[in-house]
Amino acid sequence: NAGVTQTPKFRVLKTGQSMTLLCAQDMNHEYMYWYRQDPGMGLRLIHYSVGEGTTAKGEVPDGYNVSRLKKQNFLLGLESAAPSQTSVYFCASSYNGHNEQFFGPGTRLTVL
Amino acid sequence: QQQVKQSPQSLIVQKGGISIINCAYENTAFDYFPWYQQFPGKGPALLIAIRPDVSEKKEGRFTISFNKSAKQFSLHIMDSQPGDSATYFCAARGAQKLVFGQGTRLTINP
Repeated sequence: NAGVTQTPKFRVLKTGQSMTLLCAQDMNHEYMYWYRQDPGMGLRLIHYSVGEGTTAKGEVPDGYNVSRLKKQNFLLGLESAAPSQTSVYFCASSYNGHNEQFFGPGTRLTVL
Repeated sequence: QQQVKQSPQSLIVQKGGISIINCAYENTAFDYFPWYQQFPGKGPALLIAIRPDVSEKKEGRFTISFNKSAKQFSLHIMDSQPGDSATYFCAARGAQKLVFGQGTRLTINP
């Protein structure tokens, strides 16, 4: 039981490049979330999904897109990376919106 | 707009002492208040949580105190140990989403 996994662990991009972060969970959870963590800012919700095929905006969605084609996967895309998107990105999942959120190990992204 | 405000930003406590981290919230619709613990290079993990109809919850050395009228809640770590050194986040749930505080980096000196 791997829990929540994230790919890749580290990535360096140049401004304007695109990339996709992959989150996978093997707990059959309905809800999945993408957060970014910045010093002094805590964790801020980017996008979330309440089930396969659904997505919704969180607190800081600009510059990101997401897709949930399969229940176990939640993808976060950056179409044109900016230095302001340098951050540590965490994926989380929960059985439903009322249960504990389980976090992945994070992806450290640097945009030059 | 920071809906959950956490203090202090960093805290140093001697081994065996009591660590106290405070949070304040604005939205009275929040219905669940968890604390997460994060070690360097890892994702946050749920430590302890409380619902607003309870004023205190204790699990081992960790206690949440909740003051609904003041819209404040705090984490107390009794007999703090070097292994408790980590970053702690308070959070509040509203509309099935969590809003996190800014985090507190706790260091326990041996």
